[in-house]
Amino acid sequence: GQSLEQPSEVTAVEGAIVQINCTYQTSGFYGLSWYQQHDGGAPTFLSYNALDGLEETGRFSSFLSRSDSYGYLLLQELQMKDSASYFCAVLGGGKLIFGQGTELSVKP
Amino acid sequence: GAVVSQHPSRVICKSGTSVKIECRSLDFQATTMFWYRQFPKQSLMLMATSNEGSKATYEQGVEKDKFLINHASLTLSTLTVTSAHPEDSSFYICSAPKTETMNTEAFFGQGTRLTVV
Repeated sequence: GQSLEQPSEVTAVEGAIVQINCTYQTSGFYGLSWYQQHDGGAPTFLSYNALDGLEETGRFSSFLSRSDSYGYLLLQELQMKDSASYFCAVLGGGKLIFGQGTELSVKP
Repeated sequence: GAVVSQHPSRVICKSGTSVKIECRSLDFQATTMFWYRQFPKQSLMLMATSNEGSKATYEQGVEKDKFLINHASLTLSTLTVTSAHPEDSSFYICSAPKTETMNTEAFFGQGTRLTVV
């Protein structure tokens, strides 16, 4: 089977940096993705890591260590609009499986 | 713009009736589409993988006779919730990977909020 673990909630202030960790167990691993979802909306893609290392896309970066079955999403210069749920997702075995989600609250 | 279109966005139906949800890939061909269900404040739970031209693959615990999936063309997959009950009320979302190898982002439809009364 496949499973992913991530913190249920994180709180930070505007302008800060926050890291959301994700550990996974899966067979046939292809890559780790991150998605953002605002209340009532559909998930939107943030980043994808297939190989070890850091991927940077603007204020968001994502890291993967395949040997540790671990990754994280780094959000810099937090803004109020970043308040949302963040999901890590594993692509493996022909399926995209999501973690339980981390609810990020950004305070003024 | 949206590359996966899902309709309807919201539907209310009476208990015992059936509801069809459509998911279309707009500018690419999708041999595979995924159907998820999401309850409030919870994760997206994969229900089934829809494969064009063949039977869908259902996840454990998902009733295939209740959640009928049809993937008749490379751009359209449908999910029909048959004999709906209040406990089927949920947010249903489809997604499609854009490449055959799926080693890229998956595009999501807008989601369908189903309320069974």
